[in-house]
Amino acid sequence: EDQVTQSPEALRLQEGESSSLNCSYTVSGLRGLFWYRQDPGKGPEFLFTLYSAGEEKEKERLKATLTKKESFLHITAPKPEDSATYLCAVSRGQNFVFGPGTRLSVLP
Amino acid sequence: GAVVSQHPSRVICKSGTSVKIECRSLDFQATTMFWYRQFPKQSLMLMATSNEGSKATYEQGVEKDKFLINHASLTLSTLTVTSAHPEDSSFYICSARGVPGYEQYFGPGTRLTVT
Repeated sequence: EDQVTQSPEALRLQEGESSSLNCSYTVSGLRGLFWYRQDPGKGPEFLFTLYSAGEEKEKERLKATLTKKESFLHITAPKPEDSATYLCAVSRGQNFVFGPGTRLSVLP
Repeated sequence: GAVVSQHPSRVICKSGTSVKIECRSLDFQATTMFWYRQFPKQSLMLMATSNEGSKATYEQGVEKDKFLINHASLTLSTLTVTSAHPEDSSFYICSARGVPGYEQYFGPGTRLTVT
C-alpha cells in the first residue's frame, strides 16, 4: 500500500536556527515527490518537484533533496514568516498521496 | 503563472440546501482537476478526480450523488454539495494540473458551514 509519513509532526525553531523536515514514502511507480507549504485557512502553495534520487532543488531558505525512500526539506536560517505546515506528496499515476504534514513554528 | 481560483471563499447554508463551489484555472488549461476535503489539523483527503468532458472518478467512501462534480471546460470545474448536512461542514480545496508535469496547483479553498 502506498504510504507517506512525515516527521516531526510539529517543530518549533528560534529565528535563525536551521533544521530539516523528513518525508518518507513507500510507493510503487513513483512519478514525482512534491513539497507544498500551507498557511492556516489557505490552499497549499507549490514549492518543489523532485523526480529522481539525488536531485536537489533550492528556493530562498529552502532546499529539498530526494533519495530512494525519503526526502528532506532543509530550512536554513528560518524567519518567522516561514511558519506554516509543510506537506509532501508523492505521485503515482495522476493522483497524489499526501503526508500528514509538519507544523513549523519559527519564533522571533 | 499557474493560478487557481475558488469561489466562494466562505459559504454558510442551511441543512437540506445545496451549495455550488467553482474552481477555475486562470492562466493555464487544466486537463485534470481534483477536489479535496480537509478537516482541522489534518491533511488533505482526495474526494474525486475529474478530466475535462469526462465523468469524475470518486474515491472510496465518497458519495457521488451527494458531491456532484462537473468539469465542463479546461478551465472550470464545479463541486455541488447536495442536501447538505452539518457533517458536510469542512474546508474544500480544488487543484488543477496542466501539461506537462505532474504538479498540482491549488485554489485558496472554500470554507463551508452547514447550520
